[in-house]
Amino acid sequence: QLQLQESGPGLVKPSETLSLTCTVSRDSISRSSDCWGWIRQPPGKGLEWIGSICYSGKTYHNPSLKSRVTIYGDTSKNQFSLKLTSVTAADTAVYYCARIFVDRYYFDYWGQGTLVTVSS
Amino acid sequence: DIQMTQSPSSLSASVGDRVTITCRASQSISSYLNWYQQQPGKAPKLLIYAASSLQSGVPSRFSGSGSGTDFTLTIGSLQPEDFATYYCQQSHSIPFTFGPGTKVDIK
Repeated sequence: QLQLQESGPGLVKPSETLSLTCTVSRDSISRSSDCWGWIRQPPGKGLEWIGSICYSGKTYHNPSLKSRVTIYGDTSKNQFSLKLTSVTAADTAVYYCARIFVDRYYFDYWGQGTLVTVSS
Repeated sequence: DIQMTQSPSSLSASVGDRVTITCRASQSISSYLNWYQQQPGKAPKLLIYAASSLQSGVPSRFSGSGSGTDFTLTIGSLQPEDFATYYCQQSHSIPFTFGPGTKVDIK
């Protein structure tokens, strides 16, 4: 079945850029019926949707993160990626990638998550 | 943004109990409501989508209902593996938003 795996640095310094990649197995990220998203969870807290990319050509992001978020895909590697600029300690969280079933926009497959700590 | 609330924030229950969790949206979201279960240290798992549709592979003791602004998740007979945190999520409007979670633990 579909699998997703996050990868990237576990430690990022304040004011720098957080970069994560999600590698998708057993599905194609360029299939037009799917979207792919990033969700994060600060330690001990709830879930926050960061943004999504769809192969209709659109990307979406949470306005709460203002213009700090970029999401893009690499269809040749079947990966999609997240960049979050100007990070602070408030960006410390477990970051999940997930598939979005476009019919009703629910997250049906999730990666295991990766903890990113923002600290000097 | 659509705000999601859940009640209770936590509950204690016994194996075999019937458990109901409520989720409320700050405006009508039709049936664009999904439920997830999260075990400690694990990724969330989709249980219910479109308010009442059971995700493939999820036990039938889980059920969902509601539309508009008020929704419920019911666990018909609580099993040991059901002790977890449950989140609702609206997929009606961007930004997608989650409820704060309901933690179900052992009485």
